[in-house]
Amino acid sequence: AQSVSQHNHHVILSEAASLELGCNYSYGGTVNLFWYVQYPGQHLQLLLKYFSGDPLVKGIKGFEAEFIKSKFSFNLRKPSVQWSDTAEYFCALPSKGHGHQDYGGSQGNLIFGKGTKLSVKP
Amino acid sequence: NAGVTQTPKFQVLKTGQSMTLQCAQDMNHEYMSWYRQDPGMGLRLIHYSVGAGITDQGEVPNGYNVSRSTTEDFPLRLLSAAPSQTSVYFCASSSQGGIYGYTFGSGTRLTVV
Repeated sequence: AQSVSQHNHHVILSEAASLELGCNYSYGGTVNLFWYVQYPGQHLQLLLKYFSGDPLVKGIKGFEAEFIKSKFSFNLRKPSVQWSDTAEYFCALPSKGHGHQDYGGSQGNLIFGKGTKLSVKP
Repeated sequence: NAGVTQTPKFQVLKTGQSMTLQCAQDMNHEYMSWYRQDPGMGLRLIHYSVGAGITDQGEVPNGYNVSRSTTEDFPLRLLSAAPSQTSVYFCASSSQGGIYGYTFGSGTRLTVV
């Protein structure tokens, strides 16, 4: 069965510190992966996505993630965090099963990790 | 282009009451889904639809009904609200299996007392 694991529940950093949030997935087929961010009181926004090609993916606001197939990982990184990065971060994997064959069986929805809350101290 | 619109934004229900959470998208996306978000649990899939007239259950479907009579709308019905359904509900839509990403609504915060 497909699953997504995020190891860190709450991370507290000072401004300018480097960030790495862990994400591991379980799925044996072709993988697409997403990172979403949810600022306090807001809805989910896409940070970055991986479909194929370069395993190092760059997203918005200076975030990047590296897809390592051998480790089933897609960790999110940022070299220097800001107070405005305080938010909850979710790793997600498209659910596949009895969906459309043209889209690899995608059912058009996502399996989420439980999220990592990031608090950045000014 | 409004994207995904959810109404209402906030709702308080008494145990046993019924209500419908509305979700509409104007992007002609064939896929739509409902999630609930609870602290420490991430987002869990309630129901989803791969096109008009086609729906299926997700991870936590009990106590919820859906229908998809048009491409644009995907309402979520609570038949008899329970305190365990207190949560934040998000609707999302996507096209082509989500290869271009998923668009989320702004959420409905529901409290059942």
